[in-house]
Amino acid sequence: GNSVTQMEGPVTLSEEAFLTINCTYTATGYPSLFWYVQYPGEGLQLLLKATKADDKGSNKGFEATYRKETTSFHLEKGSVQVSDSAVYFCALRGAGNQFYFGTGTSLTVIP
Amino acid sequence: GAVVSQHPSRVICKSGTSVKIECRSLDFQATTMFWYRQFPKQSLMLMATSNEGSKATYEQGVEKDKFLINHASLTLSTLTVTSAHPEDSSFYICSARAGGQREAFFGQGTRLTVV
Repeated sequence: GNSVTQMEGPVTLSEEAFLTINCTYTATGYPSLFWYVQYPGEGLQLLLKATKADDKGSNKGFEATYRKETTSFHLEKGSVQVSDSAVYFCALRGAGNQFYFGTGTSLTVIP
Repeated sequence: GAVVSQHPSRVICKSGTSVKIECRSLDFQATTMFWYRQFPKQSLMLMATSNEGSKATYEQGVEKDKFLINHASLTLSTLTVTSAHPEDSSFYICSARAGGQREAFFGQGTRLTVV
């Protein structure tokens, strides 16, 4: 079946630190992979996505590469800002268009 | 991007009462809406999928008589938790998708606490 395993939080970083949030998946077929972000009081927003192996999704300085060989889609950012404080969800979309989410990782960036 | 509004964002209710959560697509017609639930330290889990004008399809283990879903219009779906119990306390979030599109947009979620 489909599932997503995501690094547990919470994660606290200083401004300008390097961020990695690990995400691995199991899936039947060839899913699309996503990172969603939820800022306080708001809905989930699509941060980036990748639809096939070796694709790199990127947005707002965040990147993630679809690694089929390691079934991973780790989120990275070279220099985080206070405004990046949020909850990050890794997800996959299966053949039936259903989403499967990780548990979410809370990130707090301190000045 | 498209906007999905969910209301209320937080609700506290007494055990045995019913609670209704609304999910609205503000600037597009949502032919399909999804309801998810997240217990502490667990993943967001799909509860049900509803298509406008049709009965919702519930995931295995989700009681359809307890979690009533109505999707009577292209911009509104409601989830009613009937006879709520403390174990129903959770974070509920909806998402909506326009016809023919694969992208789904999420509401801000509702934190339900049953006391």
